[in-house]
Amino acid sequence: GAVVSQHPSRVICKSGTSVKIECRSLDFQATTMFWYRQFPKQSLMLMATSNEGSKATYEQGVEKDKFLINHASLTLSTLTVTSAHPEDSSFYICSARVTSGGPLFISGELFFGEGSRLTVL
Amino acid sequence: GQNIDQPTEMTATEGAIVQINCTYQTSGFNGLFWYQQHAGEAPTFLSYNVLDGLEEKGRFSSFLSRSKGYSYLLLKELQMKDSASYLCAVRNEDQGGKLIFGQGTELSVKP
Repeated sequence: GAVVSQHPSRVICKSGTSVKIECRSLDFQATTMFWYRQFPKQSLMLMATSNEGSKATYEQGVEKDKFLINHASLTLSTLTVTSAHPEDSSFYICSARVTSGGPLFISGELFFGEGSRLTVL
Repeated sequence: GQNIDQPTEMTATEGAIVQINCTYQTSGFNGLFWYQQHAGEAPTFLSYNVLDGLEEKGRFSSFLSRSKGYSYLLLKELQMKDSASYLCAVRNEDQGGKLIFGQGTELSVKP
């Protein structure tokens, strides 16, 4: 089964509203998580690196006030798309880097969530 | 900066062998990953190379040459279900271990 749970898998919202997406590591701890965005027929573009207990590091061109990231625990990072507009419609995917876990996990190994498809009307 | 290049699309025949190339330029190199992604789904891990050489895993193999900044993914005995996008990604340890993806290669397997 999945080792990184991402929720919701699909969300449709009206323009101007905010949407929160959760990325949760299951059975392992992740100090670092990464958030990606993927437009149709394009590759994954890294948006930001989420660090537990500290501020996220955003890639160039990504508005930190629009895409709020909170990594409040070793197993959970959230991405909030504030005041969403149709151009924010995309596939958002998180990945979690293993810091520690059971015997089945290797430190540094990376797991992806199942992705969240956001449609802004 | 970083630069990762792979062909945009490839076509191959069922049962054949196909090689997808990836070249990269990056500082702080700490591994190259290959992922498979079907439309509308998240990427699934295929292989990881950090040392030079060939890693074989069933029908899939991946090769890395660090001195040349070059990798390839080799798919044998192609099946229709192998039609997907194949993503090459490089881990940069100078930047917190983040994974940077190439643009992906869309592989179409035809009967």
